[in-house]
Amino acid sequence: DVKVTQSSRYLVKRTGEKVFLECVQDMDHENMFWYRQDPGLGLRLIYFSYDVKMKEKGDIPEGYSVSREKKERFSLILESASTNQTSMYLCASRAQGATYGYTFGSGTRLTVV
Amino acid sequence: EDQVTQSPEALRLQEGESSSLNCSYTVSGLRGLFWYRQDPGKGPEFLFTLYSAGEEKEKERLKATLTKKESFLHITAPKPEDSATYLCAASLHQAGTALIFGKGTTLSVSS
Repeated sequence: DVKVTQSSRYLVKRTGEKVFLECVQDMDHENMFWYRQDPGLGLRLIYFSYDVKMKEKGDIPEGYSVSREKKERFSLILESASTNQTSMYLCASRAQGATYGYTFGSGTRLTVV
Repeated sequence: EDQVTQSPEALRLQEGESSSLNCSYTVSGLRGLFWYRQDPGKGPEFLFTLYSAGEEKEKERLKATLTKKESFLHITAPKPEDSATYLCAASLHQAGTALIFGKGTTLSVSS
Protein backbone atom coordinates (compact mmCIF):
# COMPACT_ATOMS: atom_id res chain seq x y z
CA ASP A 1 0.00 0.00 0.00
CA VAL A 2 1.08 3.55 -0.68
CA LYS A 3 2.14 5.33 2.42
CA VAL A 4 2.05 9.08 2.80
CA THR A 5 3.76 10.25 5.96
CA GLN A 6 3.44 13.69 7.49
CA SER A 7 6.21 14.48 9.91
CA SER A 8 4.11 15.87 12.75
CA ARG A 9 0.60 15.08 13.98
CA TYR A 10 0.38 18.16 16.20
CA LEU A 11 2.35 21.39 16.03
CA VAL A 12 2.15 24.62 18.02
CA LYS A 13 3.97 27.66 16.66
CA ARG A 14 4.13 31.35 17.49
CA THR A 15 2.90 34.15 15.27
CA GLY A 16 5.62 35.27 12.87
CA GLU A 17 7.58 32.02 12.96
CA LYS A 18 8.59 30.27 9.75
CA VAL A 19 6.97 26.84 9.75
CA PHE A 20 7.87 23.77 7.71
CA LEU A 21 5.41 20.92 7.19
CA GLU A 22 6.97 17.84 5.64
CA CYS A 23 5.33 15.11 3.60
CA VAL A 24 6.97 11.96 2.26
CA GLN A 25 5.46 9.28 0.01
CA ASP A 26 6.99 5.90 -0.72
CA MET A 27 5.46 4.89 -4.07
CA ASP A 28 7.28 7.05 -6.59
CA HIS A 29 4.18 9.17 -7.27
CA GLU A 30 4.67 12.17 -9.50
CA ASN A 31 1.79 14.24 -8.15
CA MET A 32 1.65 15.62 -4.63
CA PHE A 33 -0.81 18.01 -3.02
CA TRP A 34 -1.25 20.17 0.07
CA TYR A 35 -4.71 20.96 1.43
CA ARG A 36 -5.98 22.67 4.52
CA GLN A 37 -9.23 21.60 6.14
CA ASP A 38 -11.39 23.86 8.27
CA PRO A 39 -14.87 23.29 9.75
CA GLY A 40 -17.56 24.44 7.35
CA LEU A 41 -15.06 25.13 4.55
CA GLY A 42 -14.01 21.61 3.62
CA LEU A 43 -10.71 20.83 1.94
CA ARG A 44 -9.07 23.74 0.17
CA LEU A 45 -6.12 23.25 -2.17
CA ILE A 46 -3.03 25.28 -1.28
CA TYR A 47 -0.39 24.04 -3.74
CA PHE A 48 0.31 20.99 -5.83
CA SER A 49 3.26 19.59 -7.72
CA TYR A 50 3.37 17.46 -10.85
CA ASP A 51 6.98 16.47 -10.54
CA VAL A 52 10.27 17.39 -8.98
CA LYS A 53 10.89 21.13 -8.85
CA MET A 54 7.45 21.83 -10.35
CA LYS A 55 4.68 23.57 -8.46
CA GLU A 56 1.27 25.04 -9.15
CA LYS A 57 -0.82 27.37 -7.02
CA GLY A 58 -4.10 26.06 -5.76
CA ASP A 59 -7.08 28.02 -4.54
CA ILE A 60 -5.50 29.61 -1.45
CA PRO A 61 -1.71 29.96 -1.89
CA GLU A 62 -1.35 33.30 -0.11
CA GLY A 63 1.00 33.10 2.86
CA TYR A 64 2.37 29.72 1.79
CA SER A 65 5.16 28.39 -0.39
CA VAL A 66 6.28 24.86 -1.28
CA SER A 67 9.43 22.95 -2.11
CA ARG A 68 9.83 19.72 -4.09
CA GLU A 69 13.54 18.97 -4.41
CA LYS A 70 13.08 15.20 -4.40
CA LYS A 71 10.26 13.17 -5.87
CA GLU A 72 9.22 11.62 -2.58
CA ARG A 73 9.15 14.80 -0.50
CA PHE A 74 6.84 17.80 -0.71
CA SER A 75 7.24 20.53 1.88
CA LEU A 76 4.77 23.25 2.77
CA ILE A 77 6.25 26.45 4.18
CA LEU A 78 4.42 29.10 6.14
CA GLU A 79 6.66 32.11 5.62
CA SER A 80 5.39 34.02 8.66
CA ALA A 81 2.77 32.09 10.58
CA SER A 82 -0.43 33.87 11.51
CA THR A 83 -3.34 32.81 13.72
CA ASN A 84 -5.62 32.44 10.69
CA GLN A 85 -3.35 29.64 9.50
CA THR A 86 -4.39 27.50 12.44
CA SER A 87 -5.85 24.47 10.69
CA MET A 88 -5.56 20.79 9.79
CA TYR A 89 -3.08 20.36 6.94
CA LEU A 90 -3.37 17.31 4.71
CA CYS A 91 -0.84 16.03 2.20
CA ALA A 92 -1.80 13.64 -0.61
CA SER A 93 -0.14 11.90 -3.54
CA ARG A 94 -1.16 10.18 -6.77
CA ALA A 95 0.62 8.62 -9.73
CA GLN A 96 0.61 10.71 -12.93
CA GLY A 97 -2.36 9.78 -15.10
CA ALA A 98 -3.85 7.53 -12.45
CA THR A 99 -7.60 7.17 -12.54
CA TYR A 100 -7.88 6.41 -8.86
CA GLY A 101 -8.02 9.03 -6.17
CA TYR A 102 -5.40 10.37 -3.84
CA THR A 103 -3.73 8.68 -0.94
CA PHE A 104 -3.73 11.02 2.05
CA GLY A 105 -1.42 11.37 5.00
CA SER A 106 -2.74 11.43 8.55
CA GLY A 107 -2.70 15.20 8.73
CA THR A 108 -0.90 17.82 10.81
CA ARG A 109 -2.97 19.84 13.25
CA LEU A 110 -1.21 23.22 13.37
CA THR A 111 -2.02 25.78 16.03
CA VAL A 112 -0.54 29.27 15.73
CA VAL A 113 -0.61 31.27 18.96
CA GLU B 1 -17.38 27.11 -12.20
CA ASP B 2 -16.67 23.48 -11.37
CA GLN B 3 -18.40 22.58 -8.13
CA VAL B 4 -19.20 19.62 -5.89
CA THR B 5 -21.98 19.95 -3.31
CA GLN B 6 -22.80 17.43 -0.59
CA SER B 7 -26.01 17.14 1.39
CA PRO B 8 -26.99 16.99 4.12
CA GLU B 9 -24.14 18.60 6.09
CA ALA B 10 -24.92 16.36 9.04
CA LEU B 11 -27.02 13.24 9.46
CA ARG B 12 -28.00 11.45 12.64
CA LEU B 13 -29.25 7.87 12.36
CA GLN B 14 -30.24 5.13 14.72
CA GLU B 15 -28.40 1.86 14.38
CA GLY B 16 -30.06 -0.11 11.59
CA GLU B 17 -31.76 2.93 10.05
CA SER B 18 -30.73 3.00 6.37
CA SER B 19 -30.24 6.27 4.51
CA SER B 20 -28.39 7.98 1.66
CA LEU B 21 -25.86 10.76 1.32
CA ASN B 22 -25.95 12.96 -1.77
CA CYS B 23 -23.13 14.42 -3.85
CA SER B 24 -24.16 16.62 -6.77
CA TYR B 25 -21.60 17.91 -9.22
CA THR B 26 -21.44 20.52 -11.96
CA VAL B 27 -18.11 20.05 -13.69
CA SER B 28 -16.76 20.44 -17.21
CA GLY B 29 -16.11 16.81 -18.06
CA LEU B 30 -16.14 14.27 -15.24
CA ARG B 31 -13.33 11.75 -15.33
CA GLY B 32 -14.13 10.05 -12.05
CA LEU B 33 -16.10 10.50 -8.82
CA PHE B 34 -14.48 9.48 -5.55
CA TRP B 35 -15.83 8.77 -2.09
CA TYR B 36 -13.69 9.01 1.03
CA ARG B 37 -14.30 8.36 4.71
CA GLN B 38 -12.64 10.58 7.30
CA ASP B 39 -12.48 9.86 11.02
CA PRO B 40 -11.90 12.76 13.44
CA GLY B 41 -8.30 13.94 13.49
CA LYS B 42 -7.25 11.66 10.64
CA GLY B 43 -6.70 11.90 6.90
CA PRO B 44 -9.40 10.81 4.45
CA GLU B 45 -9.45 7.13 3.56
CA PHE B 46 -10.37 6.05 0.04
CA LEU B 47 -13.65 4.13 -0.38
CA PHE B 48 -14.80 4.07 -4.01
CA THR B 49 -14.19 5.37 -7.51
CA LEU B 50 -17.03 5.63 -10.04
CA TYR B 51 -16.38 6.44 -13.68
CA SER B 52 -19.63 6.33 -15.61
CA ALA B 53 -23.36 6.87 -15.09
CA GLY B 54 -25.07 3.72 -13.92
CA GLU B 55 -22.00 2.33 -12.22
CA GLU B 56 -22.31 0.95 -8.68
CA LYS B 57 -19.70 -0.13 -6.15
CA GLU B 58 -20.28 -1.89 -2.82
CA LYS B 59 -18.29 -2.44 0.33
CA GLU B 60 -19.89 -3.97 3.41
CA ARG B 61 -22.83 -1.71 4.34
CA LEU B 62 -21.94 0.99 1.80
CA LYS B 63 -23.01 1.25 -1.83
CA ALA B 64 -22.06 4.12 -4.12
CA THR B 65 -23.97 4.96 -7.30
CA LEU B 66 -23.46 7.51 -10.04
CA THR B 67 -25.76 9.39 -12.42
CA LYS B 68 -24.91 12.16 -14.85
CA LYS B 69 -25.51 14.82 -12.21
CA GLU B 70 -25.00 13.22 -8.83
CA SER B 71 -23.72 10.36 -6.77
CA PHE B 72 -25.28 8.67 -3.77
CA LEU B 73 -23.69 6.82 -0.92
CA HIS B 74 -26.27 4.41 0.45
CA ILE B 75 -25.74 3.12 3.97
CA THR B 76 -27.70 -0.03 4.79
CA ALA B 77 -28.35 -0.92 8.43
CA PRO B 78 -25.58 1.33 9.74
CA LYS B 79 -23.63 0.61 12.90
CA PRO B 80 -22.02 3.11 15.31
CA GLU B 81 -18.62 2.39 13.75
CA ASP B 82 -19.89 3.88 10.49
CA SER B 83 -19.91 7.29 12.19
CA ALA B 84 -17.50 9.53 10.26
CA THR B 85 -17.39 12.35 7.75
CA TYR B 86 -17.91 11.20 4.17
CA LEU B 87 -16.32 13.24 1.41
CA CYS B 88 -16.90 13.09 -2.30
CA ALA B 89 -14.59 14.52 -4.93
CA ALA B 90 -14.59 14.92 -8.70
CA SER B 91 -11.71 14.42 -11.08
CA LEU B 92 -11.84 16.24 -14.39
CA HIS B 93 -10.71 15.19 -17.86
CA GLN B 94 -8.86 18.47 -18.16
CA ALA B 95 -5.18 17.81 -17.57
CA GLY B 96 -3.48 19.62 -14.75
CA THR B 97 -6.39 19.83 -12.38
CA ALA B 98 -6.61 18.58 -8.85
CA LEU B 99 -9.62 16.81 -7.32
CA ILE B 100 -12.54 19.07 -6.43
CA PHE B 101 -13.92 18.17 -3.02
CA GLY B 102 -17.33 18.69 -1.49
CA LYS B 103 -17.53 19.89 2.11
CA GLY B 104 -18.59 16.53 3.41
CA THR B 105 -21.46 14.93 5.32
CA THR B 106 -20.89 14.10 8.97
CA LEU B 107 -22.73 10.92 9.86
CA SER B 108 -23.51 9.98 13.46
CA VAL B 109 -24.99 6.55 14.18
CA SER B 110 -26.25 5.90 17.67
CA SER B 111 -26.99 2.52 19.23
